[in-house]
Order: sequence, then C-alpha cells, then structure tokens
Amino acid sequence: EPEVTQTPSHQVTQMGQEVILRCVPISNHLYFYWYRQILGQKVEFLVSFYNNEISEKSEIFDDQFSVERPDGSNFTLKIRSTKLEDSAMYFCASSEIPNTGELFFGEGSRLTVL
Amino acid sequence: AQSVAQPEDQVNVAEGNPLTVKCTYSVSGNPYLFWYVQYPNRGLQFLLKYITGDNLVKGSYGFEAEFNKSQTSFHLKKPSALVSDSALYFCAVRDGGFSGGYNKLIFGAGTRLAVHP
Repeated sequence: EPEVTQTPSHQVTQMGQEVILRCVPISNHLYFYWYRQILGQKVEFLVSFYNNEISEKSEIFDDQFSVERPDGSNFTLKIRSTKLEDSAMYFCASSEIPNTGELFFGEGSRLTVL
Repeated sequence: AQSVAQPEDQVNVAEGNPLTVKCTYSVSGNPYLFWYVQYPNRGLQFLLKYITGDNLVKGSYGFEAEFNKSQTSFHLKKPSALVSDSALYFCAVRDGGFSGGYNKLIFGAGTRLAVHP
C-alpha cells in the first residue's frame, strides 16, 4: 500500500539553527500539507501546497517557515531559525483531491529544539 | 471560524461493549467531516469521512459515524470494542464552502480510547 514517508524521524537542534524536514508524498497525489503537533496538544494546520505554490497557510506559518518541492518526489519544510517553541512532531500529508479527499499522513518527524 | 470539539479527554470501555467517541463541529459552509486514529509513535490514519449522502458512514476496522446536522455532531461508534482499538482518536472538519479554508483540516483535541479486557 502506498504511503507517505518522512525523514528524519527525530532531529535535535540548537535554537537559531536551520532545519529541513523531508517528505515523500504518495506518487499520484497532487496536494501536499504540513501539520504539527506540540506534545500533548492538538494537530495544527501549517500549510497546503499545490501546483508548486502555497495554496493556504496558517498564522503559525510565518516568515521563518518555507516549503518547497525541489523535484518530482520530495516535499520539504524548512525552518530558518528555530525557536524553542518549534519543538513538536511535524506531519507531512498528501491527498489526491483537495476538499473531499482524505489526507494520508506520514509517521512524523519529531523536532527537539534546545 | 471553523472549530471542532471533542468533549472527552478519555473514554474507557470494556472489551465487547459498544463505544462512542463524541465530536461536535462548527463551520460556516457545508461540513466535510473526518475521523482519524493515532497509535503510539505513529502518524494519523484515516478511518472514515462524511461528505454528503447517507448520515451513517462506515469506515475501517468496524467503525462507523453518524452525521447529525441539527446537533452539529459526528460521533464515532463501534458496536463491540476490541483491546486493539485503544488509541487516540481525532475528529476533523473542512469547510466545504469557498469562504476560505477549504484546503485545511481543523482537528479536535483528540480523545484517548482505552479498551479494557
């Protein structure tokens, strides 16, 4: 069964460092998303991406965040200068259609900022 | 603004008994409703969805959910719980209107289901 894969599974970084989280969405999906889950809290939408551009972003997704699809398979989330409060589990997801389709999530990348 | 409420942090059920995990929502347009399950150290797995049509939708692992427009609810149910159903369950909503936000899924806080042998 096709699945969304994410790397790394866990990354520890110092505050102020840049971090890139990588995702390989399901191959025939066209819509890509990043969500995050701070420990013990709800899953929060960060950004959606379609046709090589951001289609929607939340207030969390400020100038420190960026997304990119550098090739035909990878979808990356970059945090330019990490803060302590960026520590969370980051989930990549993809869907075949945007509105009525279910999202398929990866297993997440745990980011710890020290 | 869109929102989802899951009023129970935890639901405890004996194996073999029916279970219900509650969810209520608020959207401005037509709701597209979803249930996801999260096992420890795993991503979210899709269980079922309501888009339109029959108010009772059936999903994976014997789960079903009933859409109730008047009560703005979408409770998750299963007739007979299994110990292996123990996990964290998330209700989520998309606004089916084009007033904005139709791309994003809004999640509830999650309900931990514990099924005891």
